[in-house]
Amino acid sequence: QQQVKQSPQSLIVQKGGISIINCAYENTAFDYFPWYQQFPGKGPALLIAIRPDVSEKKEGRFTISFNKSAKQFSLHIMDSQPGDSATYFCAAGYAGGGADGLTFGKGTHLIIQP
Amino acid sequence: EAEVAQSPRYKITEKSQAVAFWCDPISGHATLYWYRQILGQGPELLVQFQDESVVDDSQLPKDRFSAERLKGVDSTLKIQPAELGDSAMYLCASSPAGRPLGYGYTFGSGTRLTVV
Repeated sequence: QQQVKQSPQSLIVQKGGISIINCAYENTAFDYFPWYQQFPGKGPALLIAIRPDVSEKKEGRFTISFNKSAKQFSLHIMDSQPGDSATYFCAAGYAGGGADGLTFGKGTHLIIQP
Repeated sequence: EAEVAQSPRYKITEKSQAVAFWCDPISGHATLYWYRQILGQGPELLVQFQDESVVDDSQLPKDRFSAERLKGVDSTLKIQPAELGDSAMYLCASSPAGRPLGYGYTFGSGTRLTVV
C-alpha cells in the first residue's frame, strides 16, 4: 500500500522559533509533494509544493527540503507565529493528468505559543 | 476568491439510513475529487472525476457508496446504508484538467457526517 508517514503527531514551538515537520514516502513513482494547512472546521489549503528535481523550495517563511535518495521531505516554518497554529499535512502523488489523487500523511497538530 | 461549495455543512443520520452530499466545484475546473477525512487523520481519496467520467474509484466502498457527476459540473456522493464507521468529514476538491504544474487542489469546507 502506498503510504506517507508523517512525524511528529503534535508539535509545540515558541513564537519566533522554527517548526519542522517530517514526512517519508514509499512509492518512488511519486513526483509531486505538497504540504497543506488545515484550520478547524475548514478544508485543507495548499501551502507549498515541490517536485523531485529540486532539493529545496522556499516561499516566504515556508521551506520544503527534499531528499530523493532517502525518500523524505520536510516542512520548515521560520519565525513561527501564533497564526501558524493549525494542522499540517504532507502528501504525495503525481504532477497531473490521469489518476492524480494524493496520498496524505496523518497530520501534525502545530501549536505556536506566544 | 473562487471557492468549492459543499452542502450540507453538518449532517446527522441514523445507522442504515441513506445520506447524500453535494459539491459545486470552481467554475471551469474539469477535475473533481471526493475525499473522506476521519477525525485526527489525513484525507483519503474516495473517487476522482474528469468531467463526467470516473478516473479513479478504486478506494470507494462500492457496496454502499456511489458518486455521480452527470453534467460534468456539480457532483453528489451518496451512502446507503450509512454505518457508524462512516462518521467523518467528507471533502470535495477541484482542479483544472491535468492540474498544471504547481497548481494544487482547492478543497471545500466539507460536510461533517455523524452516524448515530
